[in-house]
Amino acid sequence: EVQLVESGGGLVKPGGSLRLSCAASGITFSPYSMNWVRQAPGKGLEWVSCIGGNGRNTYYADSVRGRFTISRDNAKNSLYLEMNSLRAEDTALYYCAREGLSQEFEYWGQGTLVTVSS
Amino acid sequence: QSVLTQPPSASGTPGQRVTISCSGSRSNIGSNSVCWYQQLPGTAPKLLIFSNNQRPSGVPVRFSGSKSGTSASLAISGLRSEDEADYYCAVWDDSLSGRVFGGGTKLTVL
Repeated sequence: EVQLVESGGGLVKPGGSLRLSCAASGITFSPYSMNWVRQAPGKGLEWVSCIGGNGRNTYYADSVRGRFTISRDNAKNSLYLEMNSLRAEDTALYYCAREGLSQEFEYWGQGTLVTVSS
Repeated sequence: QSVLTQPPSASGTPGQRVTISCSGSRSNIGSNSVCWYQQLPGTAPKLLIFSNNQRPSGVPVRFSGSKSGTSASLAISGLRSEDEADYYCAVWDDSLSGRVFGGGTKLTVL
């Protein structure tokens, strides 16, 4: 069974930090790019970051560049998102998604909720 | 303000054909392939269309995608009540060096 399971979300104060994890099982992990996509409450989808299969190439949305860092551990079939200097507008459900051969988001997790509030 | 423009809402009656548009620019839709995602209430998004018009296995043939220039469209024929969901287009943007999503279209089956 294909599973992407996110964890690490929670309540954090503005300016704080959080590290999200995404564990993959039932799918091939290492050759494929992985992404983080978030959805603020009642809002649409927003792409956050992407990392290539070997971990060398990373990309970020302007809204998080310089504050968030994406990484992966292919030996553990895991994806991470280190989030620093968190703001209220970072409050969202964070999904991890694995790309397919045509750069489509083929598989999605169920999301982990991050709430930034004092 | 999304880089890709979708109508915020669409509606149709069972059995009808509905189309949802996605308008972009040369740096995104004009240069790269478009995907469409369906998000049912309270669930994670699901891939519906990739490479402009390709359906993953398991997606009914009622769903089809097309692209022309800097615009793309999702068509749903034989509308069913279970199609009531939010639909998003997405594409890589060369200028932004990142993926962009449309603002989403909420489809209501009347």
